[in-house]
Amino acid sequence: AQSVTQPDIHITVSEGASLELRCNYSYGATPYLFWYVQSPGQGLQLLLKYFSGDTLVQGIKGFEAEFKRSQSSFNLRKPSVHWSDAAEYFCAVGAEYKLSFGAGTTVTVRA
Amino acid sequence: NAGVTQTPKFRVLKTGQSMTLLCAQDMNHEYMYWYRQDPGMGLRLIHYSVGEGTTAKGEVPDGYNVSRLKKQNFLLGLESAAPSQTSVYFCASSRRVAVTYEQYFGPGTRLTVT
Repeated sequence: AQSVTQPDIHITVSEGASLELRCNYSYGATPYLFWYVQSPGQGLQLLLKYFSGDTLVQGIKGFEAEFKRSQSSFNLRKPSVHWSDAAEYFCAVGAEYKLSFGAGTTVTVRA
Repeated sequence: NAGVTQTPKFRVLKTGQSMTLLCAQDMNHEYMYWYRQDPGMGLRLIHYSVGEGTTAKGEVPDGYNVSRLKKQNFLLGLESAAPSQTSVYFCASSRRVAVTYEQYFGPGTRLTVT
């Protein structure tokens, strides 16, 4: 069975600083990987996904993620965070039509 | 195009009461899902459906039932609510895009069982 670990429960970052969120997965076959963002009181929005090809994928809102098979990782990055990036971020691994989610990382942005 | 909608947004139940959560999608998606979100646990799959008239158990199905009588609707029922079912419930639907399935989420229902 597939599983996802997000090692960081909470990250605080200054506005304008860079952000990196870690994600490690366990899956026997070629993984399909996703990052979702959840703003307070909202549903989940897809930021980006990886299923094959270029290991660096670009998403919405200026986010990117890099797939590293050797490390079983799919870390999310943003070069310069904005106050509106304060949210909870979920990494997920897909097996056909089902997703398994990590526990999430809450990002706080300080002025 | 409303996407995925959920009714109601908030609900408070007493232990032992029953209720039904409604999920509707207007994207003609085959697959639909119900998740619960609890602090520190991410989203856990309760039940899912791969098409009209079909349902299957997910990771945490106990205490819940579902029905998918119409393609656009997926209902989640709690027959006898328990405090452990206090949670935020999300519905999602998906379609196949290339070789993956992109899930689209509703805004959630916050349920409190006292």
